[in-house]
Amino acid sequence: DIQMTQSPSSLSASVGDRVTITCRASQDIKNYLAWFQHQPGKAPKSLIYLASNLQSGVPSKFSGSGSGTDFTLTIYSLQPEDFATYFCQQYNSYPLTFGGGTKVEF
Amino acid sequence: QVQLQESGPGLVKPSETLSLTCTVSGGSISSYYWSWIRQPPGKGLEWIGYIYYSGITYYNPSLKSRVTMSLDTSKQQFSLNLRSVTAADTAVYYCARLDSSGLLDYWGQGTLVTVSP
Repeated sequence: DIQMTQSPSSLSASVGDRVTITCRASQDIKNYLAWFQHQPGKAPKSLIYLASNLQSGVPSKFSGSGSGTDFTLTIYSLQPEDFATYFCQQYNSYPLTFGGGTKVEF
Repeated sequence: QVQLQESGPGLVKPSETLSLTCTVSGGSISSYYWSWIRQPPGKGLEWIGYIYYSGITYYNPSLKSRVTMSLDTSKQQFSLNLRSVTAADTAVYYCARLDSSGLLDYWGQGTLVTVSP
């Protein structure tokens, strides 16, 4: 199985900050990486697919980059509604696997 | 907008079978793959497997011996059965749509299932 290592596991930020979350795969996954936002009690929401493509309706303050084994999610100008848990998912091969999540806290 | 909603018992006894159903609305269940994912308390997400609308399945090898998935296109529902459960199967269970590339693009909000006597 491909292991996904996500860091940090949590971070403290303020409104207006830029935050960066990283995900590292245990082997080359090309660009088959997605990022999700998960707010408590809600369905996880797909933000980015194929490492850098924004899902329809997702604001451009979310940005993804990387390929191979190292990937980054950047959130520009953090707003109150952005405080949530973010996680990555690789879909280069089955079984699908996930990063451990990053909780973005105020 | 595709929406998914999990339903089923919130409490299951050890050694029994956990059964959950996911109802899909806002889009057809046909022509897509459908998945189950779980997250034990305080732990990471684990992908359980998928079922294609034609009935083809693929299960995570870690759970393959205990998992069965099924699908009812007429009801726009798909289901998960997990046999011989233990406390380690206590988790929030999510259903999701899986596109052909492997991307889980729509998720339900999850349902907590506790395994306890």
